[in-house]
Amino acid sequence: DIQMTQSPSSLSASVGDRITITCRASQGISDYLAWYQQKPGKVPKLLIFAASTTQSGVPSRFSGSGSGTHFTLTISSLQPEDVATYYCQNYNSAPITFGPGTKVDIK
Amino acid sequence: QVVESGGGVVQPGRSLRLSCAASGFSFSYYSMHWVRQAPGKGLEWVSLISNDGSKKHYADSVKGRFTISRDNSKNTLYLEMNSLRDDDTAVYYCAREATLLVVVGDAFDIWGQGTMVIVSS
Repeated sequence: DIQMTQSPSSLSASVGDRITITCRASQGISDYLAWYQQKPGKVPKLLIFAASTTQSGVPSRFSGSGSGTHFTLTISSLQPEDVATYYCQNYNSAPITFGPGTKVDIK
Repeated sequence: QVVESGGGVVQPGRSLRLSCAASGFSFSYYSMHWVRQAPGKGLEWVSLISNDGSKKHYADSVKGRFTISRDNSKNTLYLEMNSLRDDDTAVYYCAREATLLVVVGDAFDIWGQGTMVIVSS
């Protein structure tokens, strides 16, 4: 099975800061990588698919990059409504696997 | 949208069946998944079924105990859970794979609100 790791596990940043979350796969998954945002008490929401394609309706401050085993999610200017836990997901093959999550809050 | 139901409190070793009713899209063209989230924990993929029900996959943690199925005539996805254990306690979400006629090749673009399963004596 492909294992997904994320770093950091949590971060605290100021409004307007640029933040980057890293996701690594234990083996190459091409660009079969998605990012989800889960706000407290809410349902996960798809942000990015195919490693770098932004889902319709997602603000342009969210972007993804990477391929193979190393991926990043960047928020170019952190907003208060971005407080959430972010998960990466490998969908290259079954079993599908999620990263452990990165909790983002405002300093 | 998709709406889950069937959760509740169940004793260890007992069974429960979850349902997920889909509307607003051509259900029979999409692979569907179950994902769970234990209290305070991350997301764990549980199972998937192809659009026509011919392909099924399970996480090792539920293999042999859970069975996924679907009824395309009723636009409904199911998860039959047997031999439930304490660590099956979680919110169970159903989710749609984003591209029609794809099996494990796309992200999940539609998620339900989830149904809570509590396994406790």
